[in-house]
Amino acid sequence: DAGVTQSPTHLIKTRGQHVTLRCSPISGHKSVSWYQQVLGQGPQFIFQYYEKEERGRGNFPDRFSARQFPNYSSELNVNALLLGDSALYLCASSLAGVNTEAFFGQGTRLTVV
Amino acid sequence: EDKVVQSPLSLVVHEGDTVTLNCSYEVTNFRSLLWYKQEKKAPTFLFMLTSSGIEKKSGRLSSILDKKELFSILNITATQTGDSAIYLCAAGGTSYGKLTFGQGTILTVHP
Repeated sequence: DAGVTQSPTHLIKTRGQHVTLRCSPISGHKSVSWYQQVLGQGPQFIFQYYEKEERGRGNFPDRFSARQFPNYSSELNVNALLLGDSALYLCASSLAGVNTEAFFGQGTRLTVV
Repeated sequence: EDKVVQSPLSLVVHEGDTVTLNCSYEVTNFRSLLWYKQEKKAPTFLFMLTSSGIEKKSGRLSSILDKKELFSILNITATQTGDSAIYLCAAGGTSYGKLTFGQGTILTVHP
């Protein structure tokens, strides 16, 4: 049974560019959440989607957006990249929106130069 | 604002030692407390706790939650070098599945 898959695994972008990160949840899971993890810190919540609707948004600027598709996969988009956006971006998959175990993908390492 | 604090921030032990990692939380509408192990990239799920006083165990790892005092501990007995990792604690609250993470405890186990 496949776990949470994220693509790409690594990415290097230039300041001002746009990036799209992708996540496929565990089969049967309907909730996808996105987190940003900067070196030396715990993951910070960006978005949660459940049944294709945004259910929660963390304290991130409007340059960050996301969506969930009918097959429950998800994309995270970041516009006008800044050096400070360099981080590990993690996707978490869970059965339901709340009070269920969340399983993480391997993450996408984004470097902005 | 929701907050999770872990202690200690780092810990160095020798194989065979027992360690206790601490996690305190202040989360609106608390629902669950989760522990993860992070070695390279993906945090690996260890436990989810929702009720006070009920210990969860998996091999040499165990965890318990105290909802009155707002904390949880993760115990690892007979540590091995493979236990070296960052241990993350996260609290789930509000009406959706947001997890608030602590900064993690870096555990190093020497042979």
